Amino acid sequence: DAGVIQSPRHEVTEMGQEVTLRCKPISGHNSLFWYRQTMMRGLELLIYFNNNVPIDDSGMPEDRFSAKMPNASFSTLKIQPSEPRDSAVYFCASSLELSREKLFFGSGTQLSVL
Amino acid sequence: RKEVEQDPGPFNVPEGATVAFNCTYSNSASQSFFWYRQDCRKEPKLLMSVYSSGNEDGRFTAQLNRASQYISLLIRDSKLSDSATYLCVVNLQRKSHLRFGAGTRLTVKP
Repeated sequence: DAGVIQSPRHEVTEMGQEVTLRCKPISGHNSLFWYRQTMMRGLELLIYFNNNVPIDDSGMPEDRFSAKMPNASFSTLKIQPSEPRDSAVYFCASSLELSREKLFFGSGTQLSVL
Repeated sequence: RKEVEQDPGPFNVPEGATVAFNCTYSNSASQSFFWYRQDCRKEPKLLMSVYSSGNEDGRFTAQLNRASQYISLLIRDSKLSDSATYLCVVNLQRKSHLRFGAGTRLTVKP
């Protein structure tokens, strides 16, 4: 199994630009999570989906952030417009619904907003 | 109060040492507990689950104290390859999502 695949690995952009992060979960996993990690705040859950439906988006910092899961094999996290404080590592993770407790993380996207 | 609290460290220990990490959680209704490991610039990976009776996996021992809302991880005979950040993770209930602590950084030196 290829594991959770995220792209891009690194993204450098200027303030105000739109950023789109992509994720392909492990085939057969029904739950998908987006996390953000910074030194100051640690690992924060932004949003998670179950069977492609958003279940809890209370962690999304503000309206500039949006996430979609159009099908079981693809999800996007979009930031528009981006700001320097959005700079972080963004992780996508997936799990089997019945054992949601074991998360498999992708390699992350290192985002730098200048 | 944070939902999951850990001593951030860093812990710097020599090879072969025994080191212990602690973690406290705020919600007494929490049902599942885990330790994840995160190497520098890598993603977190599940290290082990934590069971009420305590459990061991090789050099690693995890323990849970529900009365004190406290979880621990003990590493015996530490190796250079144990250097990483160890994340304490708690699940409130089966249909909830995981809550991650900020992590404890461990460096094992020759």
